[in-house]
Amino acid sequence: DAGVIQSPRHEVTEMGQEVTLRCKPISGHNSLFWYRQTMMRGLELLIYFNNNVPIDDSGMPEDRFSAKMPNASFSTLKIQPSEPRDSAVYFCASSAGRALLDGELFFGEGSRLTVL
Amino acid sequence: GNSVTQMEGPVTLSEEAFLTINCTYTATGYPSLFWYVQYPGEGLQLLLKATKADDKGSNKGFEATYRKETTSFHLEKGSVQVSDSAVYFCARPDRGSTLGRLYFGRGTQLTVWP
Repeated sequence: DAGVIQSPRHEVTEMGQEVTLRCKPISGHNSLFWYRQTMMRGLELLIYFNNNVPIDDSGMPEDRFSAKMPNASFSTLKIQPSEPRDSAVYFCASSAGRALLDGELFFGEGSRLTVL
Repeated sequence: GNSVTQMEGPVTLSEEAFLTINCTYTATGYPSLFWYVQYPGEGLQLLLKATKADDKGSNKGFEATYRKETTSFHLEKGSVQVSDSAVYFCARPDRGSTLGRLYFGRGTQLTVWP
């Protein structure tokens, strides 16, 4: 079975450019999470969706960041304009049902973003 | 509050050495507790879990016992291998959420030398 699929795996861009990261969750999963990982701050939850609806976006750093989930099989995280401090690995994860008990989030392989 | 605290890394061991990575949690009640592992260049994956106090989670030779008296969930392995080199994350769910939000520790980098 396919896992969580993220694209691109690597992106290098210049400051001020728009960046769009994409995620396809596992089919049948109804929760989707976007995380950011850096050496300085570790793993941070940016936003999560349940049944395509954003539940908590309090982790989104600022208005330059936006996320959408137009349907159950696709989500995007957009940064506009990008800044060097946005350089990080961005992970998408999905889960099914009552993940509180199972604890199993399924992570993609991440998108490594470098903003010059 | 709701958080997990795990020991600072990095941890460097020789093959077949004993491993302990400490994790303590703060919570109201007794949440499920988890260890995730991140191998180089990959996303996180669930390693083991314990859903109630005194439970022991185990997988791939790793174990962790949910101890409510000490609010701890330390990860142990009796004999590590080079292939265990990875970053390990302790995690617990957000008590206020039924939708699967997890709080992760900062991660502990483990390097095992042959």
